[in-house]
Amino acid sequence: TQLLEQSPQFLSIQEGENLTVYCNSSSVFSSLQWYRQEPGEGPVLLVTVVTGGEVKKLKRLTFQFGDARKDSSLHITAAQPGDTGLYLCAGVTGNQFYFGTGTSLTVIP
Amino acid sequence: DTAVSQTPKYLVTQMGNDKSIKCEQNLGHDTMYWYKQDSKKFLKIMFSYNNKELIINETVPNRFSPKSPDKAHLNLHINSLELGDSAVYFCASSRSRATGYTFGSGTRLTVV
Repeated sequence: TQLLEQSPQFLSIQEGENLTVYCNSSSVFSSLQWYRQEPGEGPVLLVTVVTGGEVKKLKRLTFQFGDARKDSSLHITAAQPGDTGLYLCAGVTGNQFYFGTGTSLTVIP
Repeated sequence: DTAVSQTPKYLVTQMGNDKSIKCEQNLGHDTMYWYKQDSKKFLKIMFSYNNKELIINETVPNRFSPKSPDKAHLNLHINSLELGDSAVYFCASSRSRATGYTFGSGTRLTVV
């Protein structure tokens, strides 16, 4: 069992649909980040959230940090093929940094 | 300008060989890292290093060793390569873990 569990592990949707990816833990995180990794590339930082309940938006992507800072969600509105990739949450707890288990998203044109 | 660059992109080698992967960052970050991404896409920390401290994940075999000639470089040397070492290896750097990492584009190592 990993410290940061993501669900779903795999997601395949049609272009234009909405989706939510979850990142859950039993530990409290001082900050949490979301990354997107495209095939053949390294993960790219999308956002960092630090305050419980915080919501950040990045175009069609909405990130939320849970009130208790134990979980986070990523919501994508009107998904596009360019959103295809591996989404990773990551965070700092107890002076340690952990990556989540990952969610592989495929958006079908 | 490439922020974190690592070479080579692909590396195919025979069991028992010794190989190195190079990493350079031009971001002025204090800390650099090596990660291994397995077939399930899970990222596992191998090393973190700044000019003061090397932190080694205790699960990493001692065949793996980081070498840092200066603050902007952290190379990975692997001795006596084994089939199980096949994976994608990522170099990364950060100003602090809380502010996020910048990753290189990865090195796909295949041991045959």
